[in-house]
Amino acid sequence: DSGVTQTPKHLITATGQRVTLRCSPRSGDLSVYWYQQSLDQGLQFLIQYYNGEERAKGNILERFSAQQFPDLHSELNLSSLELGDSALYFCASTEMDHLPRNTIYFGEGSWLTVV
Amino acid sequence: AQTVTQSQPEMSVQEAETVTLSCTYDTSESDYYLFWYKQPPSRQMILVIRQEAYKQQNATENRFSVNFQKAAKSFSLKISDSQLGDAAMYFCAYRSLESGNTPLVFGKGTRLSVIA
Repeated sequence: DSGVTQTPKHLITATGQRVTLRCSPRSGDLSVYWYQQSLDQGLQFLIQYYNGEERAKGNILERFSAQQFPDLHSELNLSSLELGDSALYFCASTEMDHLPRNTIYFGEGSWLTVV
Repeated sequence: AQTVTQSQPEMSVQEAETVTLSCTYDTSESDYYLFWYKQPPSRQMILVIRQEAYKQQNATENRFSVNFQKAAKSFSLKISDSQLGDAAMYFCAYRSLESGNTPLVFGKGTRLSVIA
């Protein structure tokens, strides 16, 4: 158990709908990352938050957005869903440090299926 | 931007034998971290081993070791005495050291099968 909690574990929804994926980082971790893994693909970085502020942005679609709340949990919002958005969405967290030598811990992922 | 390349989509190894998974990366930075993650069928991402670029000594974790060639930008993973539980996707990843808490950049992965 990495200590990173993601909900829901599985989600099936229809095209055009909107869903919210939730992540609770490890206790004390200030930095949260979101990744997307499509079928048989590597992990694509979407977005990073640190202590409530957006820190880095990757290949995140405009239909997707995220935020990190004062209690440090994070939510990834996916809207106007398309079939191609079906994927495993990972959240990961790490402690804040001035040097990125800390391990990044991954949650178990949220499986999203768009039908 | 940094890129990570895993040129072997699939590999197989006999149980108890040794296998080496390849990874190359492209960067203009001098300080960084490299990682190997294992993703079993459960899809959990499990850190296998990591290497700090400024360390010349290759990292080792039990049956897992790396061959880090900084000049060649190569970072291979050697699994010794392969076990059935080693069957998984293996991802090589890069993390910059030069700008704070940066995200990992992953390769596309190598699927390892272990034959009994």
